[in-house]
Amino acid sequence: KAGVTQTPRYLIKTRGQQVTLSCSPISGHRSVSWYQQTPGQGLQFLFEYFSETQRNKGNFPGRFSGRQFSNSRSEMNVSTLELGDSALYLCASSAGLAGAIRDTQYFGPGTRLTVL
Amino acid sequence: GESVGLHLPTLSVQEGDNSIINCAYSNSASDYFIWYKQESGKGPQFIIDIRSNMDKRQGQRVTVLLNKTVKHLSLQIAATQPGDSAVYFCAENQGSTLGRLYFGRGTQLTVWP
Repeated sequence: KAGVTQTPRYLIKTRGQQVTLSCSPISGHRSVSWYQQTPGQGLQFLFEYFSETQRNKGNFPGRFSGRQFSNSRSEMNVSTLELGDSALYLCASSAGLAGAIRDTQYFGPGTRLTVL
Repeated sequence: GESVGLHLPTLSVQEGDNSIINCAYSNSASDYFIWYKQESGKGPQFIIDIRSNMDKRQGQRVTVLLNKTVKHLSLQIAATQPGDSAVYFCAENQGSTLGRLYFGRGTQLTVWP
């Protein structure tokens, strides 16, 4: 099975711009979660989508948004970029079924976003 | 805030020795725990997991121990190899929040030849 893929791998943007990142989950996985990783804050949860619906949301401002398509692929968008948004953005996929004994999340390689 | 933390930010071991990486958690509702390995420039890679109804789980060269009484998790790596050098994260999932993992800060493991 192919793993989780993320595009693009690297992005450079300037303050005030907006950016869209894409994530393709493992085949058959219906849950996609997004995380932001920075040296100062570590791995922080952004949101999770399951069957095209946002099921969980972290403590990030409304500039961070996402969506999921019927094929489970997901995108996240960051509007009005700030310098502090520079980070590695990771997505992870899992089966996401309630009551599952184990709901292991598998991560993609991430998108490295640099805001200048 | 994050409910999972790590006791040591760095750990250096000699090749062939055993490594033990520790993790503390504070949420009694956590029922599923995962260890990830992250190499430079890559995403976290699944190593091993454990449910809260277990105390120990073994994989290939790795063992995870869970002590619910003191809310402590550890990862043991046997015969550590240079390829094991990476940052190791423990993560927890609370059954009521599917799809969301709470991560510790990570431990940098360095293996010396």
